[in-house]
Amino acid sequence: GAGVSQTPSNKVTEKGKYVELRCDPISGHTALYWYRQSLGQGPEFLIYFQGTGAADDSGLPNDRFFAVRPEGSVSTLKIQRTERGDSAVYLCASSLTTNREQYFGPGTRLTVT
Amino acid sequence: GQSLEQPSEVTAVEGAIVQINCTYQTSGFYGLSWYQQHDGGAPTFLSYNALDGLEETGRFSSFLSRSDSYGYLLLQELQMKDSASYFCAVRGNQGGKLIFGQGTELSVKP
Repeated sequence: GAGVSQTPSNKVTEKGKYVELRCDPISGHTALYWYRQSLGQGPEFLIYFQGTGAADDSGLPNDRFFAVRPEGSVSTLKIQRTERGDSAVYLCASSLTTNREQYFGPGTRLTVT
Repeated sequence: GQSLEQPSEVTAVEGAIVQINCTYQTSGFYGLSWYQQHDGGAPTFLSYNALDGLEETGRFSSFLSRSDSYGYLLLQELQMKDSASYFCAVRGNQGGKLIFGQGTELSVKP
C-alpha cells in the first residue's frame, strides 16, 4: 500500500510568514509523529498524536508551532511568524500503534529567507 | 539530559563487515531502533531491540545490552548501496517518541 506522504516537498517562505505542512499517514496507523531534521543531525522530535489528540507535544520549540489531526488521519503542522532558524526538513512518521516501528515520509524542506 | 553517542563516520570496503556502535543516556528506555537514511531520502526502519541480545534480519544484525546502555548495528557483506547515514534511536517512554543520535555516515568503497 501507499507509504507516508507529505506536501509540499519544498516550501520557501519569507521571514514572518505563516506556513502549513501536511502529512498523510499510512492508512490504519493510529500514531502520527512530527520530527525536524537539520543538516548533519538526527531527527528531533516535535509532537505525536494518538488518534486525534496530541499525546506529547514536549518537542515543540515555542508557541509559534502548532499541529492538528482533526479526524485521526491527516495532520497539519502550522508555523506562525516563521524565522530563519525554522529552516529544516520536517519529517512525518506513522506507526500502527505507539510501540511499533515508525515509517517516515519523504519530508518537507522548509527554507525561510 | 538525554543523549546518544555514535561515531560520525565509518569507511569500509565492499564485502566487508562493519559495526556501528551506539551508547545512550536517557531518562527512560523502552527499546533501541536503527534507521538508514540515504542522501535526500526518508529514514527507513532497519531493526528494533527491546531486550538484551542479538536480532538478525538478513545482512543486518542489531545488538543491545541494557546494563551497559549500549547497542550496535552489524552490517555484513557490504554493498555499495549500503552507503548512507545510520541512526540509532531510543524509545524513551511508552508513547513511542524517538530520541535520535546524530548519525553515522557509512561510506562503502569498491
